[in-house]
Amino acid sequence: DVKVTQSSRYLVKRTGEKVFLECVQDMDHENMFWYRQDPGLGLRLIYFSYDVKMKEKGDIPEGYSVSREKKERFSLILESASTNQTSMYLCASSTRTQGAQEETQYFGPGTRLLVL
Amino acid sequence: AQSVTQPDIHITVSEGASLELRCNYSYGATPYLFWYVQSPGQGLQLLLKYFSGDTLVQGIKGFEAEFKRSQSSFNLRKPSVHWSDAAEYFCALGNAGNMLTFGGGTRLMVKP
Repeated sequence: DVKVTQSSRYLVKRTGEKVFLECVQDMDHENMFWYRQDPGLGLRLIYFSYDVKMKEKGDIPEGYSVSREKKERFSLILESASTNQTSMYLCASSTRTQGAQEETQYFGPGTRLLVL
Repeated sequence: AQSVTQPDIHITVSEGASLELRCNYSYGATPYLFWYVQSPGQGLQLLLKYFSGDTLVQGIKGFEAEFKRSQSSFNLRKPSVHWSDAAEYFCALGNAGNMLTFGGGTRLMVKP
């Protein structure tokens, strides 16, 4: 069965703290994605990665960075957390084939981050 | 630029009634379209997807969606809603890089 796990379901951090959100997939997928979800805005892509050590900016990368040292793991880093980064963060993965557009993304359960 | 619009933020239906959730997209090429569902406290689960062929797509849990190119729409339907269908539903548009653009979501509530 497909499995994407995220290290925490809930996190509370202080403004200025460095925050790590971890995502692991067990499907040997090439592609991994980080989204943030906010009411009324749906999901917005922060960063994605097509392969180990590769990363690409999504629509809202400001204030975030990522790391992909191993194929199964994709980390989202908030270098200095701010209150406007309070949100739900969702990780996803997908395989990469010739028909990339039609590939399903599989999502983790999400991490709800509160920055005080 | 591509975009997805879900005009209805909230919808309430009675259990057993039919359901239609609207989705409109803007994209310059052939669209690849998805519907995902998010139950409370859960991640997103794929209901169905369209990328070619028959414009009426069947999905899991009794859902279907119809692609209408002339209306730039991909509406989700279910003939009889169950209480367990209460959730948030997201329409999404895929591009060549397997990146998804999501609509803002529609929250479905089901009355007993």
